[in-house]
Amino acid sequence: DAGVIQSPRHEVTEMGQEVTLRCKPISGHNSLFWYRQTMMRGLELLIYFNNNVPIDDSGMPEDRFSAKMPNASFSTLKIQPSEPRDSAVYFCASSFVGGGGAQETQYFGPGTRLLVL
Amino acid sequence: GQQVMQIPQYQHVQEGEDFTTYCNSSTTLSNIQWYKQRPGGHPVFLIQLVKSGEVKKQKRLTFQFGEAKKNSSLHITATQTTDVGTYFCADQQGGSEKLVFGKGTKLTVNP
Repeated sequence: DAGVIQSPRHEVTEMGQEVTLRCKPISGHNSLFWYRQTMMRGLELLIYFNNNVPIDDSGMPEDRFSAKMPNASFSTLKIQPSEPRDSAVYFCASSFVGGGGAQETQYFGPGTRLLVL
Repeated sequence: GQQVMQIPQYQHVQEGEDFTTYCNSSTTLSNIQWYKQRPGGHPVFLIQLVKSGEVKKQKRLTFQFGEAKKNSSLHITATQTTDVGTYFCADQQGGSEKLVFGKGTKLTVNP
């Protein structure tokens, strides 16, 4: 199994530009999570999907952030327009959640290191 | 919302010394998961604790869940340089797929 795949691995962009991060979860997993990690705030959950449906987006910082999961094998996190304070490592993780909410481990992708100048 | 507090934030040890990180919550924890993140890497699952008072071991690592399910700990015996990284605890909020992560304990080991 290839694990969770994220692209790009690194992104450097200028303030105001649109940034799109991509994630392919592990095949068979039914939940997908987007996290942001910074030194100051640690690992923050931005949004998660279950069976391609957004369940909780309370961690999304503001309207500049949006996420989609058009099918079970692909998700995007978009920032438009980007700002320097968005610089962080963005992780995608997937897991399988069984009946009753029993969750197996979350498998994290390698992350996208975003720098907004 | 629920907060999971982790202490210490940083720990520096000499190789061979023991290390412990603690995870605490003011509310009852559901299921605790522990993750390790190597420098420049991504979090990797170590173990899950579900039952009150549960103790699990992985070689030199011992994981414990408090009797009241309000705290958990990870203890490493005789640290090695390969133990370097940040250790996170995370609680699965009851009935939810969501994990709430602590801020992590960053461990450095001096050879």
